[in-house]
Order: sequence, then structure tokens, then C-alpha cells
Amino acid sequence: NAGVTQTPKFQVLKTGQSMTLQCAQDMNHNSMYWYRQDPGMGLRLIYYSASEGTTDKGEVPNGYNVSRLNKREFSLRLESAAPSQTSVYFCASNFRDRGNEQFFGPGTRLTVL
Amino acid sequence: QQQVKQSPQSLIVQKGGISIINCAYENTAFDYFPWYQQFPGKGPALLIAIRPDVSEKKEGRFTISFNKSAKQFSLHIMDSQPGDSATYFCAASRGSTLGRLYFGRGTQLTVWP
Repeated sequence: NAGVTQTPKFQVLKTGQSMTLQCAQDMNHNSMYWYRQDPGMGLRLIYYSASEGTTDKGEVPNGYNVSRLNKREFSLRLESAAPSQTSVYFCASNFRDRGNEQFFGPGTRLTVL
Repeated sequence: QQQVKQSPQSLIVQKGGISIINCAYENTAFDYFPWYQQFPGKGPALLIAIRPDVSEKKEGRFTISFNKSAKQFSLHIMDSQPGDSATYFCAASRGSTLGRLYFGRGTQLTVWP
């Protein structure tokens, strides 16, 4: 099992450019999450999907959109990147009704110039 | 409003010493309290977790102490080793939030040899 995979690992964008971060899991989990991690701020939830076909906003959704493409895949899109979106992005997944342990991907380091 | 407050932000401990990280919460509906460990360049991974029906859980050198009346829980790392140097996050969740975790801001632990 690959667990949770994320692409790309690194990305540099210019202000105003758009991009999509991809996430996939092979653990048959029903819930998936996108977080951003900034120094001193911990892990902040951007969006989550409790099941295929549903998405909900987290703490910091502004400037992002998500798509739960199927049970395995959950993508995060930046329509018009801003320097404030420079961060490390983590995708996670879990069985929402089995102890809540979340499994994290390796992260995407995004820099917006 | 931050749901889980974590302290200290950073901690330096000598090899063989005890590392203690504290967390506090307000929402009495929380029923699951995990600790995650994150090494540089990696995603967080579950270290140990506790439910409020017990006051302590021990796994090897790692112990969670839970005080329901004070709404506090802490991670104790006994005989701390340089390999324990990482960032530690506490978190909390409740069954009704479909697996969503609320994270503290993290503690960067450095264990000197």
C-alpha cells in the first residue's frame, strides 16, 4: 500500500497563477482532508470531505477550491495564487467512524513569488 | 478561536531527561485526543491517543496523562533520545464531526546528546 500520495512535492508559482494539488489514498478511507502548515501556526484545516460527493470548509478556506473526484482522490485548487498561500500543504485521510486516526501524505511545499 | 491550546512552543531536553508537552481544550464534547509526531520534511504520524474514559495511557517511553475535570492532557516522553527530536502536535475530535481533528500549534522538541 502506498498510503496517501501527493503531487507535486515542490512547486513555485508567480502571483496570479493557478495550480491544482493532487492527493490520492489507497486505504479505502471515506474522509479526506487538506491542511496547510505554517511556522508557529500548526496544522490548519482548509477543506475536508466526509464522503465521496461532499465537501466542507475548514478554518482557512478563502482562496481555495476542492474536488472530491472519487473515493480515492481529493484535489486542492488555487485559482489565483497569492504570496500568503506560500506554505506546506498536507493531505490526510481516515475512516471517520473508526477511531479518527488520520493518515498524512508527505506534503507539497508551495512558494508563491 | 483556537479549540486546542498547546505549550510550550519549543522545548530543549538533555538526553535521558523527561519531555513534557501540555494541551488544554474547552469543548467538553471532545472524545478522542491523539498526539502526532512530525519529522522534518515528512507528514505527521500518529504517536499515541487516548479517550476520556481513562486517565493515562502508556506505550513504551510515551505516556498520555488526561485530566477530564481540568480539560487538559499532556504527553510525557521518558528517557528522551536524540531520535525523539521532532515536532509534536496534540489534537482533539468528537464523534459528531465525522473524523475531523482540531490541532494545537505544535511543540518543537530538541533532545541534546
